[in-house]
Amino acid sequence: QVQLQQWGAGLLKPSETLSLTCAVSGGSFSDYYWTWIRQPPGKGLEWIGEIVHSGTTKYNPSLKSRVTISVDTSKRQFSLRLDSVTAADTAVYYCARGRLIRIWGQGTLVTVSS
Amino acid sequence: DIQMTQSPSTLSASVGHRVTITCRASQSISGWLAWYQQKPGKAPELLIYKASFLESGVPSRFSGSGSGTEFTLTISSLQPDDFATYYCQQYNTYPWTFGQGTKVEVK
Repeated sequence: QVQLQQWGAGLLKPSETLSLTCAVSGGSFSDYYWTWIRQPPGKGLEWIGEIVHSGTTKYNPSLKSRVTISVDTSKRQFSLRLDSVTAADTAVYYCARGRLIRIWGQGTLVTVSS
Repeated sequence: DIQMTQSPSTLSASVGHRVTITCRASQSISGWLAWYQQKPGKAPELLIYKASFLESGVPSRFSGSGSGTEFTLTISSLQPDDFATYYCQQYNTYPWTFGQGTKVEVK
């Protein structure tokens, strides 16, 4: 059974860097796209970007200048980095498998506040 | 970006009633559309993919239809477990985008 376990800091100050990691257990790591999605409180879903095991990435243009997604295939992990956060980046961040998402992480609430 | 517009934003309905949610794309996405259900505090769950294919394990009262720019999700007979928020997602063109959501609430 495939599971995604994510972790990272939940409270940041404006201008700091958001950093989250997602570990994949079970299933194939190399056969899928690995995705980050976020959801501001009470709002809808926003696709942040995706990566494959080779390291090839695609990002949402709205965040492209601030976001980096990386992968560590030896650990079966992928990570999200978002620079220079503001209050508008407050959201639940999900890691997920695929473009058509059948497997989600548990979500991490990241709050940006001074 | 392809804009996905759902209607209505909120829908009030009773158990046993038929419910239809519409999702319109700002340009053609062929059939590359998914529907998700999300309950408070939980991650979304996939219901429908490729516009009309029912995800394994999803009750048959859920169905999807459409192609191009207009799509619908239908719940044939609303059950208590179905009160939730529903999102469409296009996966035809980067960046993948979601509708704003439709909340199905108790009438």
